[in-house]
Amino acid sequence: AQSVTQLGSHVSVSEGALVLLRCNYSSSVPPYLFWYVQYPNQGLQLLLKYTSAATLVKGINGFEAEFKKSETSFHLTKPSAHMSDAAEYFCAVSDGGSARQLTFGSGTQLTVLP
Amino acid sequence: GAGVSQSPRYKVAKRGQDVALRCDPISGHVSLFWYQQALGQGPEFLTYFQNEAQLDKSGLPSDRFFAERPEGSVSTLKIQRTQQEDSAVYLCASSFRTFQETQYFGPGTRLLVL
Repeated sequence: AQSVTQLGSHVSVSEGALVLLRCNYSSSVPPYLFWYVQYPNQGLQLLLKYTSAATLVKGINGFEAEFKKSETSFHLTKPSAHMSDAAEYFCAVSDGGSARQLTFGSGTQLTVLP
Repeated sequence: GAGVSQSPRYKVAKRGQDVALRCDPISGHVSLFWYQQALGQGPEFLTYFQNEAQLDKSGLPSDRFFAERPEGSVSTLKIQRTQQEDSAVYLCASSFRTFQETQYFGPGTRLLVL
């Protein structure tokens, strides 16, 4: 069974500050990991994904995430927050096997303060 | 547009009514997923199709939930005798082939059962 834990249901940062959204996973097999962003009344948009290639993954809009197997973590970062980054962010895991579906965390709402 | 579309976007039903939610995946996408997203939570897997075959329905919460994809493209999620606990956003996602492909999400159908 797989699971995802996102620490902090709400995170606030000032515009221009570092964004750090935490994600820890559990998986019985090497995982495939994803970060999605959801804007109000919209579907989920893929930010980036890890599929066992490079451990540092770069995504859209300046976001990146680092896969750390020893810590079972896949934290999302962005060096400088923009007002447009305010949204809900979901970490998800897939084991790549018979469980083709994604297992999501409960989400982190990011607020960017002017 | 080339994205996943869902209809209706909003649905209000009286308890006990049947509802049907439609998903139009991206043309040519083999895999189709349905997720349920309760307020303040991450999406949870309901069911998965590969072409017209429903390969996994382990996430359907009860036998009141039924999904089909008869021609391997459009899919319908049907909920019979709706209950208040069925109120949620229902998300559809599609991917080009099978596992590890990026899942592209539609905007969702927000169902409110009164």
